Amino acid sequence: NAGVIQTPRHKVTGKGQEATLWCEPISGHSAVFWYRQTIVQGLEFLTYFRNQAPIDDSGMPKERFSAQMPNQSHSTLKIQSTQPQDSAVYLCASSLCWGGAPETLYFGSGTRLTVL
Amino acid sequence: GEQVEQRPPHLSVPEGDSAVIICTYTDSATAYFYWYKQEPGAGLQLLMSVFSNVDRKEEQGLTVLLNKKDKQLSLNLTAAHPGDSAVYFCAVSAGGYQNFYFGKGTSLTVIP
Repeated sequence: NAGVIQTPRHKVTGKGQEATLWCEPISGHSAVFWYRQTIVQGLEFLTYFRNQAPIDDSGMPKERFSAQMPNQSHSTLKIQSTQPQDSAVYLCASSLCWGGAPETLYFGSGTRLTVL
Repeated sequence: GEQVEQRPPHLSVPEGDSAVIICTYTDSATAYFYWYKQEPGAGLQLLMSVFSNVDRKEEQGLTVLLNKKDKQLSLNLTAAHPGDSAVYFCAVSAGGYQNFYFGKGTSLTVIP
């Protein structure tokens, strides 16, 4: 089991450019979560999919951020017109769902986004 | 919504000593409790998970205590060694379709 795979590990963009982050959940896991991690804010919840459907995106900034899960093997987080304050480590986690509800989260190694 | 407070933010202990990290939560419906370890440049690694019907769980030098009355969760690393140096996070969930809530983390340094 390769665990949750996130690519790229590091991404550097210029201000105003677009960034797309990829996540491959553990095979068989039907829930996928995205978090943003910074020194100041700690771990911030962004969004959560279950069986590819968006369940809770209450943590997503309303502008510029979007997430998709087109199939059960990957999810993407897209940030348009990146700003320096978007610089952070973006973590993806996946989980089995028992009775439809997520269980323990298993995390990928994260993508470190740096916006210059 | 759920509020999770974790303390201390930084902890330094000599090798062989114990280290204790404490989290408090607010939602009495919280049923699932987790401790994660994060090493530099890595994601969060699950250390232990505990369901609300368990007061104490021990695994490989780690002890988790759950005090539901005080809504407090603790992690005790007995006989810490330098390899335990990392950031530790608690996380809680009410289960069902509820979200997971994380503490701010504790940076543990074990001094050889």
